Parts: sequence; C-alpha cells; structure tokens
Amino acid sequence: QSALTQPPSASGSPGQSVTISCTGTSSDVGAYNFVSWYQQHPGRAPKLMIYEVNKRPSGVPDRFSGSKSGNAASLTVSGLQAEDEADYYCSSYAGGSNNVLFGGGTKLAVL
Amino acid sequence: QVQLQESGPGLVKPSETLSLTCAVSGYSISSGYYWGWIRQPPGKGLEWIGRIYHSGNTYYNPSLKSRVTISVDTSNNQFSLKLNSVTAADTAVYYCASGEGLVRFDYWGQGTLVTVSS
Repeated sequence: QSALTQPPSASGSPGQSVTISCTGTSSDVGAYNFVSWYQQHPGRAPKLMIYEVNKRPSGVPDRFSGSKSGNAASLTVSGLQAEDEADYYCSSYAGGSNNVLFGGGTKLAVL
Repeated sequence: QVQLQESGPGLVKPSETLSLTCAVSGYSISSGYYWGWIRQPPGKGLEWIGRIYHSGNTYYNPSLKSRVTISVDTSNNQFSLKLNSVTAADTAVYYCASGEGLVRFDYWGQGTLVTVSS
C-alpha cells in the first residue's frame, strides 16, 4: 500500500489559518475514522496533535482541528503562531493486514 | 506519564540483525496500550514498522513483515525490535511509541539513529 499524499509545503502569516490535506483511498482514510496528525520540530520526536479524525489530546491547543471527507483528511491550524512552524504528518489505519500508513509530510512555514 | 527510552547499537553491518529495546517507565506494559516502532530515514518521512499489544499479539508493516520481530518483556517492562538482513536502506532514526489506538501514538521515545554500514 502506498503512503498517504500530502502537499510538501504550506505557509501562512501569523494569525492566519492554514489547512493541510492528506489524501488516501477507500481502503484507508475513506474506510476508517482512524486518522491522526503529528507535529515534528527539527531533531525532535513527533507529537500527537489529532487522533480519530478530529479529537485533540489533552494539552493540544484548540487552534488545531481535524476533519475528513471521503478519502481525504485535513488538518487546520488557526491563528498561526511562530511555534507552529514544523513538519506535519498524517496517519491512517489501513485495515486488512492491520497496516498503518503515514503521509510524506508537509513543511509548514509561518512567514 | 508514560516515558519511553530506546537503546541499542548505533551501527550495524549489512546483512546483520538490528536489535533495539524500548524501556518503559510510568506505566506497566501488561496493563494495556499498543507498543510500536516507527522509523524515519534521514531527511525523509515516517514509516510504521509494527506494534505489539500487551497480550503479545503482533502486527507488522507488510513490506517489512518477513524481516521484523517485535516482542514484549513484561518482567522488565520493555519491548524490543529485531530487523534482520539489514541494508543501507534501513538506516534511520528508530522511534518506539505507544498509545491507546490503532494510529494513536501518544507517547514517543527520543529516537535513536541506527546506521547500516560496513
């Protein structure tokens, strides 16, 4: 199974909103509500930001939100702040052989 | 608060076996959660390797399944990864991670770089 498709880069100015897409297939993103998003700063381990499409772990600001439509999921970051500049990865359960897929990652720049 | 710490050799020769251990503190492995391994080649994205449930049930990435073994050691509260017949393509930062859901990794180790080279 192929990795999920994400745009390589995204950008926005402080205070603005930006949305990052994650496109899969009817066998993964489209089939299950098990989509997560991770934030990774350079040299650091990834951090869970969204799970089960639109749920936020404790401590994650409500500026981060997730959604899904068909075979595509999205992460929206509202009120952009400098510290949001990082790589973002989506992940989806792919059923079948209990596989887990990651997207290729999106580098978010806060201009 | 669950804390994870990877350990193991940073250099492995081609065709040999990569072995890593993840020590868990702040939570008993036998209490639940999924325990998994994820890797990231230098400058590239994340790749799921596999996971094990506290019961011992294992699930692997189909592309790595023939070379991977994940096991749990409840007496020492740790779990391990073995990847055999390694090549340069297996050079990566290896993370151990855990969480409650199928793609929900709440807790991560700091990561350990493993280089495959002679």
